[in-house]
Amino acid sequence: QKEVEQDPGPLSVPEGAIVSLNCTYSNSAFQYFMWYRQYSRKGPELLMYTYSSGNKEDGRFTAQVDKSSKYISLFIRDSQPSDSATYLCAMKSSNYQLIWGAGTKLIIKP
Amino acid sequence: ETGVTQSPTHLIKTRGQQVTLRCSSQSGHNTVSWYQQALGQGPQFIFQYYREEENGRGNFPPRFSGLQFPNYSSELNVNALELDDSALYLCASSLRDRTYEQYFGPGTRLTVT
Repeated sequence: QKEVEQDPGPLSVPEGAIVSLNCTYSNSAFQYFMWYRQYSRKGPELLMYTYSSGNKEDGRFTAQVDKSSKYISLFIRDSQPSDSATYLCAMKSSNYQLIWGAGTKLIIKP
Repeated sequence: ETGVTQSPTHLIKTRGQQVTLRCSSQSGHNTVSWYQQALGQGPQFIFQYYREEENGRGNFPPRFSGLQFPNYSSELNVNALELDDSALYLCASSLRDRTYEQYFGPGTRLTVT
């Protein structure tokens, strides 16, 4: 079993819909939870990070962490075609290493 | 503020050859991490450098080695290339105490034939 599980998709939704992306994990030592966006043939771009449990909002994006369930989510409101990309979750304990999910490919249909 | 840059963009090598990939960190960042990303997969951590020393290493063999220079730029060297080394190689920079906040370059796509 991988430390971080993420459904690869693709997830296809109409423009304007609310998108929910999720990751589960097994290592209770993870303290930092990150979401990255990666467009085709580009490097990942950091969207948000959260320390420990709770919610964090940035514009149309909301990140949620539920450490009791070992489950994290990224919500995208009013989705746009430009949001079409692969979304990667990453997690970190107190050491140096980020552990990544496989990424979910998101397609927003105009 | 200058972002993370990587060179070259693309590279084709033959099995058994050696390759050097280069990375220039974002201004002000002192830590560099290297990742290998296979198609359809998340990045796999290779190693991290801080103050010109390897600070941590993932599950990669010794033929993957690196350097960090005083200006915080970095190199990834891979010896005895294998077909499975074909991937996107990503460099990310950060501050030492904020490695949860990494900023990536565009990557180098390596093809081994």
